[in-house]
Amino acid sequence: AQSVSQHNHHVILSEAASLELGCNYSYGGTVNLFWYVQYPGQHLQLLLKYFSGDPLVKGIKGFEAEFIKSKFSFNLRKPSVQWSDTAEYFCAVNVISNTGKLIFGQGTTLQVKP
Amino acid sequence: DADVTQTPRNRITKTGKRIMLECSQTKGHDRMYWYRQDPGLGLQLIYYSFDVKDINKGEISDGYSVSRQAQAKFSLSLESAIPNQTALYFCATKGTGSTDTQYFGPGTRLTVL
Repeated sequence: AQSVSQHNHHVILSEAASLELGCNYSYGGTVNLFWYVQYPGQHLQLLLKYFSGDPLVKGIKGFEAEFIKSKFSFNLRKPSVQWSDTAEYFCAVNVISNTGKLIFGQGTTLQVKP
Repeated sequence: DADVTQTPRNRITKTGKRIMLECSQTKGHDRMYWYRQDPGLGLQLIYYSFDVKDINKGEISDGYSVSRQAQAKFSLSLESAIPNQTALYFCATKGTGSTDTQYFGPGTRLTVL
């Protein structure tokens, strides 16, 4: 069965620090990849997505992610985090099929200290 | 107005009670999904629907049922709630294109005592 693994469950950073959150998936075929963010008390919002083309994708709020097919990875990065980036981050994979189902990782809680 | 709405936003109920969570969307999407979120587990798919006549079980459908009353409405029911169904429930919608993304509602926090 397909699965998504996020290595960091809880990350604490100071403002201006660089961020990298790991995401690996297990599926050998074609996938669409997503990062969603959930701010405290809010619903999930799409940060960025990868369908095809340039493996380095840029999203909102200065986030980017790189798809490395050989490593089955889609890590999220931000050069300089802000206190307002405090949230939970979810990596998700959609195996190319008719269902459109998303398989989510466990989530990473990011706490940015001012 | 929000594209995907969920009611209620919060609900506390007792074991054995029947509960219905409702989801409505104005995006005109055919596909709708119900997920539950538990701490440390991410989101898990309960049920999904491609249209009013096409409903499918997800990974954790036991103890749940759904109804697609119209293209815009997709309800999740807990026939006899139990405490381990305490969770945050999200509805999502998606268009039919392979590059369409899922849009999530604000969630319903359900507590079963």
